[in-house]
Amino acid sequence: DTAVSQTPKYLVTQMGNDKSIKCEQNLGHDTMYWYKQDSKKFLKIMFSYNNKELIINETVPNRFSPKSPDKAHLNLHINSLELGDSAVYFCASSQDARTGDGNTGELFFGEGSRLTVL
Amino acid sequence: AQKVTQAQTEISVVEKEDVTLDCVYETRDTTYYLFWYKQPPSGELVFLIRRNSFDEQNEISGRYSWNFQKSTSSFNFTITASQVVDSAVYFCALSEANTGNQFYFGTGTSLTVIP
Repeated sequence: DTAVSQTPKYLVTQMGNDKSIKCEQNLGHDTMYWYKQDSKKFLKIMFSYNNKELIINETVPNRFSPKSPDKAHLNLHINSLELGDSAVYFCASSQDARTGDGNTGELFFGEGSRLTVL
Repeated sequence: AQKVTQAQTEISVVEKEDVTLDCVYETRDTTYYLFWYKQPPSGELVFLIRRNSFDEQNEISGRYSWNFQKSTSSFNFTITASQVVDSAVYFCALSEANTGNQFYFGTGTSLTVIP
């Protein structure tokens, strides 16, 4: 069973289109994230949700809108796609390392979704 | 300010050589967690190790070892007898207890092991 799964794995689209990437985790974690990895491999946090509530919202254009219908899902919707949005987007989840219930607190990543905007 | 610094952008070694990847972090929290991740050419991000701030014991796992030194705020990663399969980008990361689930990643070190 895949712990963190995201779809689609590849997405090629035209500038100006709207697209969504879906993410689901079956680990029972409280917190989910979206990261963007650019061509230089920098991993940049975009959003983080804890129990469906937004807790981290980095400086990201408001064309990006996360949606968390429940704590196992965090989807990313992107409006009016631009060339600079081309990147690999990683979904991740974690359990707060402070819970003391044996969870290690590390991030579990999905396989990534490679978005190419033409 | 960069909370996690990986000064080595790219490293190349010949197979069977040992290699150390440096990681320096910055935090004012007394409770924090340090991580290493591996990203092979296939692209997935693989968790390697987690260390909490109260545990300065070094760790060895096969050919991998980690040296955590609070005095120098470093958490270095050594691969002994490197192999071609070790070629990847390696990321060091920090999570602080006070900021909950915020993870700070370094910029990564790209390791190439030449056969």
